[in-house]
Amino acid sequence: EAQVTQNPRYLITVTGKKLTVTCSQNMNHEYMSWYRQDPGLGLRQIYYSMNVEVTDKGDVPEGYKVSRKEKRNFPLILESPSPNQTSLYFCASSPIADPRDTQYFGPGTRLTVL
Amino acid sequence: GDSVTQMEGPVTLSEEAFLTINCTYTATGYPSLFWYVQYPGEGLQLLLKATKADDKGSNKGFEATYRKETTSFHLEKGSVQVSDSAVYFCALISGYSTLTFGKGTMLLVSP
Repeated sequence: EAQVTQNPRYLITVTGKKLTVTCSQNMNHEYMSWYRQDPGLGLRQIYYSMNVEVTDKGDVPEGYKVSRKEKRNFPLILESPSPNQTSLYFCASSPIADPRDTQYFGPGTRLTVL
Repeated sequence: GDSVTQMEGPVTLSEEAFLTINCTYTATGYPSLFWYVQYPGEGLQLLLKATKADDKGSNKGFEATYRKETTSFHLEKGSVQVSDSAVYFCALISGYSTLTFGKGTMLLVSP
């Protein structure tokens, strides 16, 4: 089944403890992206990647890192999480390196930082 | 910069009622416009899109027309069902910028 998967789906952690949220897609998509969703703010883009080894900042990149070593994977790294990063995170991908194309979203990762 | 404004929710309707969710935008150039839907506990799914003025996107009984003169992309459905209860996001992208979302509108449909 064609899909975007994220792990973990739920995570509770403490301030300063490094964590990684994985994202994987099995559709050979070129474009991948991370968003955070917060009440009253909608979705905001954190980072995106047009292709392997090509990443760029979105609207809210502070406190996050990403890497794109393989086409299918796009992990989101929080090196020193803080409570203001408590949010619902979505990974998305699209077939071509054009963000105007339809994006396919993963199921989300709910992160709580205490 | 680009921005999307959606009507505040929740929108509460009875089954078979007519739905309109307003969306207006500000963007440079000629953006592509989207409606995404998020069902409870799930990620977003593309509902419909339009890439140029006067285009009408449609899917699952939902429609939206790209109105350049009023910078709007209102979502409509003639007869809603309980299964349409979800959060609806209007979004745009202009050029090769990032996708800009509105804040979302929750729709609640009762039997």
